[in-house]
Amino acid sequence: QVQLQESGPGLVKPSETLSLTCTVSGGSISTYYCNWFRQPPGKGLEWIGYIYNSGGTNYNPSLKSRVTISLDTPKDQFSLKLSSVTAADTAVYYCATGTGWLAQHWGQGTLVTVSS
Amino acid sequence: EIVLTQSPGTLSLSPGERATLSCWASQSVSSSYLAWYQQKPGQAPRLVIHGASSRATGIPDRFSGRGSGTDFTLTISRLEPEDFAVYYCQQYATSPLTFGGGTKVEIK
Repeated sequence: QVQLQESGPGLVKPSETLSLTCTVSGGSISTYYCNWFRQPPGKGLEWIGYIYNSGGTNYNPSLKSRVTISLDTPKDQFSLKLSSVTAADTAVYYCATGTGWLAQHWGQGTLVTVSS
Repeated sequence: EIVLTQSPGTLSLSPGERATLSCWASQSVSSSYLAWYQQKPGQAPRLVIHGASSRATGIPDRFSGRGSGTDFTLTISRLEPEDFAVYYCQQYATSPLTFGGGTKVEIK
């Protein structure tokens, strides 16, 4: 049973960089596409981007200039960095993995609030 | 970017009734790479259907999906109390991956 857990600060100041890590257990991330999604309070889901085992990445064009996703295969972890955050980046952030582009397994999500 | 439109926004039904949710794509979703997710308050999305019609692991057979091209449907044959939730369609054929706005299935 694949399980994912997001970790990182729950509060980030405007203009700073949001950093989150996803730890995967029950499966090796070297076989998965590793995604980040987000959901502003009371709103729908948005795909941020993914990284796959070769280290290749694909980002949502709406966020591409501010996003970096990286992989730490030995630790079965992958990470998200989102720079120059504003209040509009306040959301629950989810990590998810799967085969191909299908997100099959999701973390429980972590709320990140952007506020001074 | 493929825009997904879900209808209706809210579906008010009683347990035991049939629920039919629709998802329309602004352009054809190749290889029927269309998924449905269920989300309950305070929880992460849960994969229900992938490939337009394949049930995910552990999903009961009262859930079924159909469709191709631009028109897709999720049907719950007889609603159980645990099925009341928000359902999102998502296409994973073309980057950027996109979601519909969701259909809330609520208890009437």
